[in-house]
Amino acid sequence: AQKITQTQPGMFVQEKEAVTLDCTYDTSDQSYGLFWYKQPSSGEMIFLIYQGSYDEQNATEGRYSLNFQKARKSANLVISASQLGDSAMYFCAMEVSDSWGKFQFGAGTQVVVTP
Amino acid sequence: GAVVSQHPSWVICKSGTSVKIECRSLDFQATTMFWYRQFPKQSLMLMATSNEGSKATYEQGVEKDKFLINHASLTLSTLTVTSAHPEDSSFYICSASAGTSDEQYFGPGTRLTVT
Repeated sequence: AQKITQTQPGMFVQEKEAVTLDCTYDTSDQSYGLFWYKQPSSGEMIFLIYQGSYDEQNATEGRYSLNFQKARKSANLVISASQLGDSAMYFCAMEVSDSWGKFQFGAGTQVVVTP
Repeated sequence: GAVVSQHPSWVICKSGTSVKIECRSLDFQATTMFWYRQFPKQSLMLMATSNEGSKATYEQGVEKDKFLINHASLTLSTLTVTSAHPEDSSFYICSASAGTSDEQYFGPGTRLTVT
């Protein structure tokens, strides 16, 4: 069985600072994908970044980077230069090769960016 | 990017009535759609996988007779909550996959309140 764990229920971060959101996962599959989504109060799920299990380089998308440590089974999201608009719920998710498209989500981390 | 819509975005219904929620892929054909439920301040939980032209596959603990899913075309899947009760009040989100890549596109969600 697969499992995704986000241990930080909530975080405050000051504007312009960087923040790291933790995500660990557990799967026996060799082929899997890891995703981060942002969910503002409106409820929509906004895709941020993707890391494939065979990708050797850490994924980056603008201010978002994924610190992928395969041996430790962690896929932490780093948001650099936080902005007020980054305040939202952040979910880590995983899909595995025998069920592509079927996501298992972590519990989420609520991020509040303060001026 | 691909667009997935949901209708309605918000619905209030009386206990005992049924509610239909539509999920449409607007600019691509979705061979597979997924339905998730999200209670307040919780994560998304997968309810079922909907494949065009075949019966939906429900996750453990999800009542198939209560949550009827129909995926009659490559652009439309519907979720009908039958005999709704207040405990069914939740945020329902669909996602769609073209099946040709790992990308999955989320709809904006439907907030259901059962009184």
